Amino acid sequence: DGGITQSPKYLFRKEGQNVTLSCEQNLNHDAMYWYRQDPGQGLRLIYYSQIVNDFQKGDIAEGYSVSREKKESFPLTVTSAQKNPTAFYLCASSEGGATEAFFGQGTRLTVV
Amino acid sequence: GQQVMQIPQYQHVQEGEDFTTYCNSSTTLSNIQWYKQRPGGHPVFLIQLVKSGEVKKQKRLTFQFGEAKKNSSLHITATQTTDVGTYFCAAKTSYDKVIFGPGTSLSVIP
Repeated sequence: DGGITQSPKYLFRKEGQNVTLSCEQNLNHDAMYWYRQDPGQGLRLIYYSQIVNDFQKGDIAEGYSVSREKKESFPLTVTSAQKNPTAFYLCASSEGGATEAFFGQGTRLTVV
Repeated sequence: GQQVMQIPQYQHVQEGEDFTTYCNSSTTLSNIQWYKQRPGGHPVFLIQLVKSGEVKKQKRLTFQFGEAKKNSSLHITATQTTDVGTYFCAAKTSYDKVIFGPGTSLSVIP
């Protein structure tokens, strides 16, 4: 099955620890995105990547880092510098140009 | 930066009533996309509009793109409980950056 996979679905971490969220796609899409969603809120763009080895900051990149070493993978690291990391994180991918975005199931991160 | 706004933030309707959500941008958009997110789920693509004044229908859903390409609307006729969720509009800017509106959360009372 083609699609975009995020793991794990639920993640718990202690405050001060870095944590990496996985996002893998087998749709052969060039563009990949990370969004953060807080309860009752919309999607805010963290980082996005148009091609391998290239990525740009979104609207709320502070406290996060990404890499794009392979076309299929776009992991997101939530660092200890992120002041309020507890949220629902969504990864998406799309072909280049004006095409639809496909979302993963999301990872719900809780930092205690 | 470019922003996309949506109204209303919440809407509660009786089953069978109609529902409309509006999306507005301060700048001209090259396209507008609509997504639906069910409670506890992830956003799922519904449709994309590209042309000025474009109208598209999907069963009970009608999507419009304004003549100036700065606004869009989604209208649902005779809502059903399966329509419950949050509806987002989204615009793809240059450099493939996709920005989402804050969404309209729809509740349908049986």
